[in-house]
Amino acid sequence: GAVVSQHPSRVICKSGTSVKIECRSLDFQATTMFWYRQFPKQSLMLMATSNEGSKATYEQGVEKDKFLINHASLTLSTLTVTSAHPEDSSFYICSALGAAAGLNYGYTFGSGTRLTVV
Amino acid sequence: AQKITQTQPGMFVQEKEAVTLDCTYDTSDPSYGLFWYKQPSSGEMIFLIYQGSYDQQNATEGRYSLNFQKARKSANLVISASQLGDSAMYFCAMRVLGGGATNKLIFGTGTLLAVQP
Repeated sequence: GAVVSQHPSRVICKSGTSVKIECRSLDFQATTMFWYRQFPKQSLMLMATSNEGSKATYEQGVEKDKFLINHASLTLSTLTVTSAHPEDSSFYICSALGAAAGLNYGYTFGSGTRLTVV
Repeated sequence: AQKITQTQPGMFVQEKEAVTLDCTYDTSDPSYGLFWYKQPSSGEMIFLIYQGSYDQQNATEGRYSLNFQKARKSANLVISASQLGDSAMYFCAMRVLGGGATNKLIFGTGTLLAVQP
């Protein structure tokens, strides 16, 4: 089936530094990548939608200069949290939509990244 | 406004019994899709079942079935013969049309299911 590989699974960084999270579609082409954020015991909140080769569309209230999304190829999308602060600590998860994405009607999730900013 | 509502923050069920997790939705689009996902403590999102708005029959996948009542805008998940491994957070989600004509998923607040031996 379709697989999205997300790395790193866990990262701890110092306040003020930047962190890059990668999502790779392993056996299909991800024409669209969704990036979600999930605080403990809360729901998944969509941050942005990116289509290969074009600028990401951010949800209301999400700072595009802080959460940089790049979707340069059909198999790779990255989320960079710039100048991270403790309040950015959260679980980030990507979801890919693309052709031949298996039986789950197109949405394949990565395994998530738990970011802790100290 | 497009919205997914899960009114049960937590549920208990005895092992081997059936349990129903509630989900209601709101949308004005005639075409939409409804999903259920399971999220164990490890955080991954596991797809369980899908129901399209035009599907005539309720979706079933093994021990999972979706009780789709279109007029009431509800899409409840039924898990039969609960197992200890079913203990997890369960999210209902709806596919909606986002910016740039891209379909995106919006999620409910989730229900934490605990299966008791």
